[in-house]
Amino acid sequence: DGGITQSPKYLFRKEGQNVTLSCEQNLNHDAMYWYRQDPGQGLRLIYYSQIVNDFQKGDIAEGYSVSREKKESFPLTVTSAQKNPTAFYLCASSPTGTGSYEQYFGPGTRLTVT
Amino acid sequence: EDKVVQSPLSLVVHEGDTVTLNCSYEVTNFRSLLWYKQEKKAPTFLFMLTSSGIEKKSGRLSSILDKKELFSILNITATQTGDSAIYLCAVVNDSWGKFQFGAGTQVVVTP
Repeated sequence: DGGITQSPKYLFRKEGQNVTLSCEQNLNHDAMYWYRQDPGQGLRLIYYSQIVNDFQKGDIAEGYSVSREKKESFPLTVTSAQKNPTAFYLCASSPTGTGSYEQYFGPGTRLTVT
Repeated sequence: EDKVVQSPLSLVVHEGDTVTLNCSYEVTNFRSLLWYKQEKKAPTFLFMLTSSGIEKKSGRLSSILDKKELFSILNITATQTGDSAIYLCAVVNDSWGKFQFGAGTQVVVTP
């Protein structure tokens, strides 16, 4: 089955701790994205990557970091510098060069920091 | 500044009603507009619209884009409780596919 997996589904952390969210895809997509969703605010782009070993900051990158060492994987680290990390995090991927802009989403990780 | 505005932010309807959702946009380099449905978790793709005036249809859902007035509408006819969800509009304003999302419209369909 092709798709995007995110783990864990729910994550609880204490303030001041870094935490890494996993995102894996077996769709052979070049591009991958991380979004944050807060109630009433839609999805906001954190980081994106068009190709392995390359990534760019999105609109709200402060306090987050990513890596793209493999095409299939795009983990997101929420650092202690992120002031308000409690949110729902969605990972997505898309093919490039096909003429379709559709992004495919994973099931999300709900992070709660207390 | 690029922006995508959805309206209304929420609405409650009875089963069988028709719903019209609006997405207006101001972006510098419009490529396409996409609609997604989000129930509990992952948004699922509904439509991608690139050309003005061409209606896309899938069952009871339809959508159309007006590139002159810079908006799109999503219609749902004969609503069912399974249509209850957040409907997200995203505009592609970059050649490789970067999205700008609206805040979403929460639709609740009551029996």
